[in-house]
Amino acid sequence: GQQLNQSPQSMFIQEGEDVSMNCTSSSIFNTWLWYKQDPGEGPVLLIALYKAGELTSNGRLTAQFGITRKDSFLNISASIPSDVGIYFCAGLITGGFKTIFGAGTRLFVKA
Amino acid sequence: EAGVAQSPRYKIIEKRQSVAFWCNPISGHATLYWYQQILGQGPKLLIQFQNNGVVDDSQLPKDRFSAERLKGVDSTLKIQPAKLEDSAVYLCASSLDLPARLAGGRLSYNEQFFGPGTRLTVL
Repeated sequence: GQQLNQSPQSMFIQEGEDVSMNCTSSSIFNTWLWYKQDPGEGPVLLIALYKAGELTSNGRLTAQFGITRKDSFLNISASIPSDVGIYFCAGLITGGFKTIFGAGTRLFVKA
Repeated sequence: EAGVAQSPRYKIIEKRQSVAFWCNPISGHATLYWYQQILGQGPKLLIQFQNNGVVDDSQLPKDRFSAERLKGVDSTLKIQPAKLEDSAVYLCASSLDLPARLAGGRLSYNEQFFGPGTRLTVL
């Protein structure tokens, strides 16, 4: 079946540093999504990408939809302690309505 | 606007017992989803409803799991009997509607809003 591979699995950074994480698949997706999950909460949508090559920002977050439609990355600039959490990439499978999630990147920010 | 409500927040049961989870989606949302999130993994879709009809239940272990959304609003997910490997967080989500097909074959995504989840521990 279709799978999303996220890397890195976890990151430990200092406050103020920039962060980059990515998501790859052997399958093509028409929509890429980035979610954040805080402890004890459900995931919250950060950014949705609809077109190959699209670059979209949401505050300090920037995400890109890869040209091959098989990958996406998320950048966080000038990290702050509240950026701590798990970041999931997700894709809407081609021809269907199901959303597939990656295993997540766990971000730890040291003040 | 109230978010997606789930209860209970936590449940501990022994294997072979039964358990039920309840979800109340955001008012007016036609699409409702149940996900299973095992520790260290991303959410995995179990079942997806459009109003009171099932859109996708391909990953629902139907020998022990069942779900219903009889009036097209709130929903229950049941496990009977539970196994150790069912220990997970069960997340409910809702969206206004299914993705819509746009010109050129693209799908527009209707944001899924998640509840806080029910953490199930099977001993």
